[in-house]
Amino acid sequence: AQKVTQAQTEISVVEKEDVTLDCVYETRDTTYYLFWYKQPPSGELVFLIRRNSFDEQNEISGRYSWNFQKSTSSFNFTITASQVVDSAVYFCALIHIGGGTSYGKLTFGQGTILTVHP
Amino acid sequence: DVKVTQSSRYLVKRTGEKVFLECVQDMDHENMFWYRQDPGLGLRLIYFSYDVKMKEKGDIPEGYSVSREKKERFSLILESASTNQTSMYLCASSLPLMNGYTFGSGTRLTVV
Repeated sequence: AQKVTQAQTEISVVEKEDVTLDCVYETRDTTYYLFWYKQPPSGELVFLIRRNSFDEQNEISGRYSWNFQKSTSSFNFTITASQVVDSAVYFCALIHIGGGTSYGKLTFGQGTILTVHP
Repeated sequence: DVKVTQSSRYLVKRTGEKVFLECVQDMDHENMFWYRQDPGLGLRLIYFSYDVKMKEKGDIPEGYSVSREKKERFSLILESASTNQTSMYLCASSLPLMNGYTFGSGTRLTVV
């Protein structure tokens, strides 16, 4: 079985602070993808990034960056110079594509509520 | 862009009612999914479908059923709604799986 854990239930920061959202996953499979989604107050989940299990390169996109470390089974997400518009619920998720009973199921963490105060 | 449309944004139903939640996608995706979202629990998979007339149980299928008569439409059915089914329900579709899912805006169901 696969599992995704986001230990931080809620984070509160002041605008312009950097913030890191933690994600730890468990899987016995070697072929999988990891994702981050953002859920603003409107409710729709917005795709942010995808990373496959064979690519440990970190990625930066504007103020967002992701650190994938297979050795610690972690896929952390950092927002630099946070803004009020970053306030949302953020979900980390894992999908296994190598076959078996977990094939194709996107498993989510519990979510982290980020509040950025002006 | 793929669009996933859920027919209702908010629903209030009575205990014991049969409830239908509808989801339509417009990009010919084969894979469709129903999740429920509850605070502190994240999103949990109820049912999914890889093709027309095909369905698979997810992690929490009890009290639910699904129907997929056409490729673009995936319906979630609460046979006899109960108060513990009060939740946000999210539909998603994907093709291929490694691209992740596209989600609808959700239906917030309250069972009274």
